[in-house]
Amino acid sequence: QQPVQSPQAVILREGEDAVINCSSSKALYSVHWYRQKHGEAPVFLMILLKGGEQKGHEKISASFNEKKQQSSLYLTASQLSYSGTYFCGTEYLDSSYKLIFGSGTRLLVRP
Amino acid sequence: DVKVTQSSRYLVKRTGEKVFLECVQDMDHENMFWYRQDPGLGLRLIYFSYDVKMKEKGDIPEGYSVSREKKERFSLILESASTNQTSMYLCASSSGTTDTQYFGPGTRLTVL
Repeated sequence: QQPVQSPQAVILREGEDAVINCSSSKALYSVHWYRQKHGEAPVFLMILLKGGEQKGHEKISASFNEKKQQSSLYLTASQLSYSGTYFCGTEYLDSSYKLIFGSGTRLLVRP
Repeated sequence: DVKVTQSSRYLVKRTGEKVFLECVQDMDHENMFWYRQDPGLGLRLIYFSYDVKMKEKGDIPEGYSVSREKKERFSLILESASTNQTSMYLCASSSGTTDTQYFGPGTRLTVL
């Protein structure tokens, strides 16, 4: 029941855009996005709730399609600081208190 | 700022040893979690706790137990460490079920 993230890895040049997808086989209540830089703890980016709207954080935004049971993270005009591994965490309608994380998407932004 | 601390950054133990990993949070959070992180597998939930003395199994609880005697402290116990438990262990806490999880720096455990 782990959500599926795609792609597994992305290499970008500074200023380019990227999309990271997170798909679930079960009905979702919420999707959380985290970024982990090398050697550091994961850090929260944003939460999207069932019935909620698209959210944004500077040039990083995300959408949540309840019908398709998926979420997408959009990174616009990427910066070097965006490099890291991005994880989606899904909270299912039939279970509370916990998130199930995907295997992660490694993003490398080059100058 | 929320702070989640873990007792050790690096730990080396021998097969069969009993291992304690401790996690402390300073924000009076109700929920605490233990994950293990392995390359290509992401973060997998071992156990979580939504209140003192309350615990729930996550997706991979086998070989682990937990203890939460005080609200701020959540311990992960490996009763008899095995080599396949070599991993990065991350602790996290949150105030509510859909709230942000704050992660500790992690403990890299090696079992020889």
